[in-house]
Amino acid sequence: GAGVSQSPRYKVAKRGQDVALRCDPISGHVSLFWYQQALGQGPEFLTYFQNEAQLDKSGLPSDRFFAERPEGSVSTLKIQRTQQEDSAVYLCASSRTQGSSGANVLTFGAGSRLTVL
Amino acid sequence: TQLLEQSPQFLSIQEGENLTVYCNSSSVFSSLQWYRQEPGEGPVLLVTVVTGGEVKKLKRLTFQFGDARKDSSLHITAAQPGDTGLYLCAGRRGGTSYGKLTFGQGTILTVHP
Repeated sequence: GAGVSQSPRYKVAKRGQDVALRCDPISGHVSLFWYQQALGQGPEFLTYFQNEAQLDKSGLPSDRFFAERPEGSVSTLKIQRTQQEDSAVYLCASSRTQGSSGANVLTFGAGSRLTVL
Repeated sequence: TQLLEQSPQFLSIQEGENLTVYCNSSSVFSSLQWYRQEPGEGPVLLVTVVTGGEVKKLKRLTFQFGDARKDSSLHITAAQPGDTGLYLCAGRRGGTSYGKLTFGQGTILTVHP
């Protein structure tokens, strides 16, 4: 597609439920990032994939968070036994290359807003 | 501890006024980006600055990267209601090969007609 697509856009979960959030990056993009954004705050890094390889998961808050990108395209962020503090917008972003130059542009999806009751 | 500190956190002004948003850090960044985010959407890139002292202009927006590449500013001239949104600075450090971005906490700008 033309942009990064995320689903569902909104998810309400009861505390203790498991949730799965999907990201469809731009076709052919090598790099994929997941970020967590609290209301009115800046995004915080969760994890990074280069193709199917998860190269950095240093930002995942706990072992309840798990991400995968098995075929190097679609990615899923799974949160087990959700807690109220997991309520946030989860943003996915992709880029064509894996470089660190300023020219490496990230395109963000609209995010999945998770509310845990 | 926030690696990138943005100020002010909230800004409410009248149409036609000028404003400046600051992004400061004690760390050096290889590049710094500014994003604008509207409610229900993801951040959209406005500009990337790479060289210390660099100044870039985008219509009524002027972006500056500090000489030491530790800070940046965004200046908006004659603000309009359409400028309303969350402004985010984000920096890349040299420690990763894949360009991990670290964001500031954002500045919520409201421009009243």
